[in-house]
Amino acid sequence: DTAVSQTPKYLVTQMGNDKSIKCEQNLGHDTMYWYKQDSKKFLKIMFSYNNKELIINETVPNRFSPKSPDKAHLNLHINSLELGDSAVYFCASSRPTTYEQYFGPGTRLTVT
Amino acid sequence: AQSVTQLGSHVSVSEGALVLLRCNYSSSVPPYLFWYVQYPNQGLQLLLKYTSAATLVKGINGFEAEFKKSETSFHLTKPSAHMSDAAEYFCAVSDRVGNQFYFGTGTSLTVIP
Repeated sequence: DTAVSQTPKYLVTQMGNDKSIKCEQNLGHDTMYWYKQDSKKFLKIMFSYNNKELIINETVPNRFSPKSPDKAHLNLHINSLELGDSAVYFCASSRPTTYEQYFGPGTRLTVT
Repeated sequence: AQSVTQLGSHVSVSEGALVLLRCNYSSSVPPYLFWYVQYPNQGLQLLLKYTSAATLVKGINGFEAEFKKSETSFHLTKPSAHMSDAAEYFCAVSDRVGNQFYFGTGTSLTVIP
């Protein structure tokens, strides 16, 4: 009965590779997000989708592309991975009226 | 535009002592305010939220926060710290249409036995 799930939990890859992180929520929420948390624990929103439509697209390299096949899923695809992409990536979803967010367990991406 | 500032990136308290984690916000409209906790190697968990009802908000694990508009603050408190409270705490602010959501830089709480 996991609310927000992400796969994989750990991802180790080499520079230049392309990888994807999957996110699914079973809360019935309309809005989903991707965050990046760096080594200093700073959380930065990357993208937000509402009912499969992009509503927030912060300044991130266009190597990052979110894809929402339906409102329960928001996947993150990263092309040409760089060392600086190493971080923990969190998926979240939120209620439509109070906007409290529910987070997944995170995906620790390590680029070597 | 909205933002939150958390004063003190690291706070240490003795077990049983008062926990006070500070958060100040900036918003042109009445915001929604949240506190989240992150235990090591885990995702963020909602502790409590303010959505313009009572200004004193009670959350899980004995935490509470008070919304003070005059001080633009939303400080988190707990009367008596437990060892299990050691974690990273984040204050967050949202507008009322869900288009803007900002986290503070976090406060790491250490509880000393």
